[in-house]
Amino acid sequence: SAVISQKPSRDICQRGTSLTIQCQVDSQVTMMFWYRQQPGQSLTLIATANQGSEATYESGFVIDKFPISRPNLTFSTLTVSNMSPEDSSIYLCSVRYGLETDTQYFGPGTRLTVL
Amino acid sequence: AQKVTQAQTEISVVEKEDVTLDCVYETRDTTYYLFWYKQPPSGELVFLIRRNSFDEQNEISGRYSWNFQKSTSSFNFTITASQVVDSAVYFCALSEASSGTYKYIFGTGTRLKVLA
Repeated sequence: SAVISQKPSRDICQRGTSLTIQCQVDSQVTMMFWYRQQPGQSLTLIATANQGSEATYESGFVIDKFPISRPNLTFSTLTVSNMSPEDSSIYLCSVRYGLETDTQYFGPGTRLTVL
Repeated sequence: AQKVTQAQTEISVVEKEDVTLDCVYETRDTTYYLFWYKQPPSGELVFLIRRNSFDEQNEISGRYSWNFQKSTSSFNFTITASQVVDSAVYFCALSEASSGTYKYIFGTGTRLKVLA
């Protein structure tokens, strides 16, 4: 599997501000996903990042709150906008390499704390 | 509806004991995929195994083994001779081929504590 990196690895932010998280893969991938993991909880899919088009959001997540970009096949960003303490979570990106496999590989995650 | 249940919230064992983590799934698809991931305290999710619905062979990888039984919709994970480094949260996940979205449905996870 390829190497997946996320920046920042952690951050502490003030209420009302925004944070952009980057996900970089060292090889081209077909699909990229963004997940949220609230403290002590399981993973919840935020959206599928589509290359060259708008992301596909899951129920309960909207583009104004979580804008996503994917300018190419190796990079994506997730912005958490107008943050509140409820946004404190681990945010993980994952990738799927090709149509022949359903396996997703995850980045190391970004630990976000909102004060 | 699709669902993954990990009924064991937390398990504690003493080092060298064997431990089994349970995973029960629900799906109407005939083609689906099941996964196990490990999340150590550092937070990253580590892929352990993928199994498709047509392959019921059990698998062994070192101290890890997996038992897939379609008759009971279960995909259980056993660690033999557990070690402190096995301490982590383990997630079971399901992906349905017919959805075309490649989304995972995760269980709630089982926290395993291996005591020295």
